[in-house]
Amino acid sequence: LAKTTQPISMDSYEGQEVNITCSHNNIATNDYITWYQQFPSQGPRFIIQGYKTKVTNEVASLFIPADRKSSTLSLPRVSLSDTAVYYCLVGDRAGNTGKLIFGQGTTLQVKP
Amino acid sequence: ETGVTQTPRHLVMGMTNKKSLKCEQHLGHNAMYWYKQSAKKPLELMFVYNFKEQTENNSVPSRFSPECPNSSHLFLHLHTLQPEDSALYLCASSQEMPGQGRGEQFFGPGTRLTVL
Repeated sequence: LAKTTQPISMDSYEGQEVNITCSHNNIATNDYITWYQQFPSQGPRFIIQGYKTKVTNEVASLFIPADRKSSTLSLPRVSLSDTAVYYCLVGDRAGNTGKLIFGQGTTLQVKP
Repeated sequence: ETGVTQTPRHLVMGMTNKKSLKCEQHLGHNAMYWYKQSAKKPLELMFVYNFKEQTENNSVPSRFSPECPNSSHLFLHLHTLQPEDSALYLCASSQEMPGQGRGEQFFGPGTRLTVL
């Protein structure tokens, strides 16, 4: 069962690029990597998903090295509204929901 | 607005009460989920339904009883709860199961439950 490890918290300032790394040493061949964002008292919101190399969308980039034992979520030019908890999930391409484990997440605090 | 609605948004109940949480998704998705999020703890997956069939029950106590009458609606029936069951209960839906291309989950706003 793949387990993820993320820093508990990070601080940044407006306009900076933020990189949050997630470790998943036991990732299996069929596993993919997904990141969610959660604001207080709200449900998580999907940010990005990838399997290998690099994925980019309108809000973030996801970097996955060749061994796939870690992944890095990159948020360009953060603003105060990016203050939230960010979760890294490792799931099974076969749709095995037993692997839908949200860890502690990383609390990102963006300062003015 | 994610297309997933939950009612009520807040609920206070005694340990002997029976109540139900409702979730409705307007996205045409096939899978629906119940999660529990206690204060300062990670989300815990409780139940999963795919095409109205329950596919996952993560050792949830029987005082929580899910019901999925169709792909758009999901209920969580509550009875004889304990104070430690106080938490934010989140519903989510996805087009496909996670990892199958369109497995991205859309979450509702949650129901804040307090058990006295």
